[in-house]
Order: sequence, then structure tokens, then C-alpha cells
Amino acid sequence: DAGVIQSPRHEVTEMGQEVTLRCKPISGHDYLFWYRQTMMRGLELLIYFNNNVPIDDSGMPEDRFSAKMPNASFSTLKIQPSEPRDSAVYFCASSASGTGEVIPEAFFGQGTRLTVV
Amino acid sequence: LAKTTQPISMDSYEGQEVNITCSHNNIATNDYITWYQQFPSQGPRFIIQGYKTKVTNEVASLFIPADRKSSTLSLPRVSLSDTAVYYCLVAFYNQGGKLIFGQGTELSVKP
Repeated sequence: DAGVIQSPRHEVTEMGQEVTLRCKPISGHDYLFWYRQTMMRGLELLIYFNNNVPIDDSGMPEDRFSAKMPNASFSTLKIQPSEPRDSAVYFCASSASGTGEVIPEAFFGQGTRLTVV
Repeated sequence: LAKTTQPISMDSYEGQEVNITCSHNNIATNDYITWYQQFPSQGPRFIIQGYKTKVTNEVASLFIPADRKSSTLSLPRVSLSDTAVYYCLVAFYNQGGKLIFGQGTELSVKP
């Protein structure tokens, strides 16, 4: 497996434009997570899905952010309209619910570096 | 989820053993302790996890005392390539790996 694949790797957009980030999780994984990383706030969990269903979106900063997972192999994070303060690295991660009492290992993608000017 | 506290930064030299201690005073009975490593411009990567006592793998060892209120990640004989940010997390196994990251410890290994 190629791991978690995110696209694009870099995105530069103007304030007010719509931005869509994409993620392909590892095949067979039933959990998908979206994180945002900035110097000021560190790594923040935005939302996570289990079997394509959003479980917790309490980390989504505001209504301008939305995430979908139409099937087990694809998820999107959309920002509309984008603002300069949305500039960050956005990571997608996936994991497989394990058997037994262990924390499933989360596999992270390479991230999308978003710059809003 | 239990809050974790760890040093913001640490310095070491090549060949030394590095121990990073993490405090998690409010850890719950069902929480496990896991550590991740993050290199610049990359996503975090799993290192090790444990519940109590000692766990060792090919990369690191994890020491957890009986009260589980702290844990220590031990990296034997570090090299320059171990320069990274190390995150200590506690998580409940039944949440699919839902991880809440703290500030992490920035380890700098010098020649």
C-alpha cells in the first residue's frame, strides 16, 4: 500500500476562494482523521470519521470548514471562503480499528501546505 | 482525554541515550500511552505504545511506573537523524486511534 495519499501537496490561493483538500486513506482502514498544524496552535484534530460517518467534528473551527467522506477510499476537506488565518499544513490520517485493547496506529499522509494570500 | 505535559525542548549528542519524560496525572484506567515522532515537513509517525511496566521495540523503550501518572520514552544511542519532535499522548483504545496532540518535545541531536 502506498500509504495515506493527500493532494495537492501545496496550495496557494487568494482570500475568498474555495479550497478543497483531498485524502485517500489506506485500504481497509475504517477511521479517517483530519488535522491542522500551525506554529501557534500545534496539531489540532478537526474531524474524524468511522466507516465514512462523521463521529466528532467539534474541532472544525467554523462553518467555513466542511468535510465529507463519500466512500471508504476518499475524503475531502473544504474551506469556503478561505481566509489568510487558514494558512497551515493539513494532515489526513487513517487507522484500522484493532482487536483487543490497543490503540490503533494512525498513519499520516504527507500533508497539504495551504497558503491563503 | 488526559492532558499530557512534557519538556518543550531537549538537546543531546550523537551516541547518547535520550530519555523524555511525560506527565499524565489524570490518566484513566482505560487509557493507553502512545508516542509519535514528527520530522519537519512530514506527518507524525508511530513509535511505541504501552499500558504499564516496560515496552521495547526496535526503535525505543517505554517505561511506565505502577501509578501510570508518567511515562518515559528512551531512545538508545541517538543519531542526527533522530532530531524531531516527539509527542506523548494518552488515548482510549475504543476510539480508533483518535489522538489529541500536545506541544511535543523538540529534540535536537548535535554531532
